Amino acid sequence: KAGVTQTPRYLIKTRGQQVTLSCSPISGHRSVSWYQQTPGQGLQFLFEYFSETQRNKGNFPGRFSGRQFSNSRSEMNVSTLELGDSALYLCASSFYRAQDEQYFGPGTRLTVT
Amino acid sequence: AQTVTQSQPEMSVQEAETVTLSCTYDTSESDYYLFWYKQPPSRQMILVIRQEAYKQQNATENRFSVNFQKAAKSFSLKISDSQLGDAAMYFCAYSYSTGANSKLTFGKGITLSVRP
Repeated sequence: KAGVTQTPRYLIKTRGQQVTLSCSPISGHRSVSWYQQTPGQGLQFLFEYFSETQRNKGNFPGRFSGRQFSNSRSEMNVSTLELGDSALYLCASSFYRAQDEQYFGPGTRLTVT
Repeated sequence: AQTVTQSQPEMSVQEAETVTLSCTYDTSESDYYLFWYKQPPSRQMILVIRQEAYKQQNATENRFSVNFQKAAKSFSLKISDSQLGDAAMYFCAYSYSTGANSKLTFGKGITLSVRP
């Protein structure tokens, strides 16, 4: 079956703009998690959605938001972009929860100039 | 708060040799999960091995095995018969056991190079 897909793969934005990233989980998976990866901070948990509800949230400002649709696809939005938001954003899906086998997408590389 | 520490930023191993990657964690929970993930240059994270804390037996997946020392809060990964394709960044991760806290906490990672 198809793996986790993320679009777009690369994105360049300007400070102050907003951006929306998309994640399609593996068919049948209902949990979708988002992570931010930077050289300085490493991998940090953003949030997790399950059945269209945000089930967990990391320590990120309110500029970072997300949602999940009825088909389990998820989007994350970052408003008022800052230079420090430049990162690889990874999406991961699992059947029920992150403790199960979690499959990661290839990531979206966001560059903020 | 739970923390995961990988103190070695880089390691190198000769092809066909064995290498051990270290990881320690801190938690007050008694039931949790531990993971090793591999991130090759393509940046696609791949689950290598998963250990449930309540299980005494160390997890094994082909050439990959762990040494789980619960009392010492240590979770090291042993790669036997190292191959060139094992070169990657390896992350140790922790998760609560309860479904309500379904998130992974990652260590900083270790870059493993394999010498031919």
